[in-house]
Amino acid sequence: EPEVTQTPSHQVTQMGQEVILRCVPISNHLYFYWYRQILGQKVEFLVSFYNNEISEKSEIFDDQFSVERPDGSNFTLKIRSTKLEDSAMYFCASRITSATTNEQFFGPGTRLTVL
Amino acid sequence: DAKTTQPNSMESNEEEPVHLPCNHSTISGTDYIHWYRQLPSQGPEYVIHGLTSNVNNRMASLAIAEDRKSSTLILHRATLRDAAVYYCIPSTQGGSEKLVFGKGTKLTVNP
Repeated sequence: EPEVTQTPSHQVTQMGQEVILRCVPISNHLYFYWYRQILGQKVEFLVSFYNNEISEKSEIFDDQFSVERPDGSNFTLKIRSTKLEDSAMYFCASRITSATTNEQFFGPGTRLTVL
Repeated sequence: DAKTTQPNSMESNEEEPVHLPCNHSTISGTDYIHWYRQLPSQGPEYVIHGLTSNVNNRMASLAIAEDRKSSTLILHRATLRDAAVYYCIPSTQGGSEKLVFGKGTKLTVNP
């Protein structure tokens, strides 16, 4: 069964450093998402991406964040200058476009630890 | 985004049915009701969705109230693997269709 994959599974970085989190969505999916979950808290939407552009972003997704689909298979989230409060699990998700379901397939997540 | 209310936690015994309720009284007429779950240390996983009629799939059943202000996810025979946090999420079709997660219901399944 096709699945969303994410690398790395765990990333440790120093405050102020740039990180890139990578995701490979399911191949025929057209919508791509990033969510994050701070330990013990709710899953929060960050950004959605469709047709090579951002379709919606949350207040969390400020100028320090960017997304890219550089080669038609990978979908990346970049944090330019990490802060302590960026420590969280980051989940990538994808879905095939559909008028009758919002079934999103989630990856296993990347645990980001900012020291 | 429609607000949802779910119990913080529920407990069940293995092999018994579980009914997980959700109130979504502000749901709009075109919102589908989606249920996701998150197993420990994993990403969320789609369970089921519906609009007005009750729905069944291999994982669960979804019972939707006639006024659509509430729904119930039914696990017919809970297993230990069903221990997870369950989220009901009204979702408007069209647009980016981000998922707005609440706190969900943490289901504990006792052996």
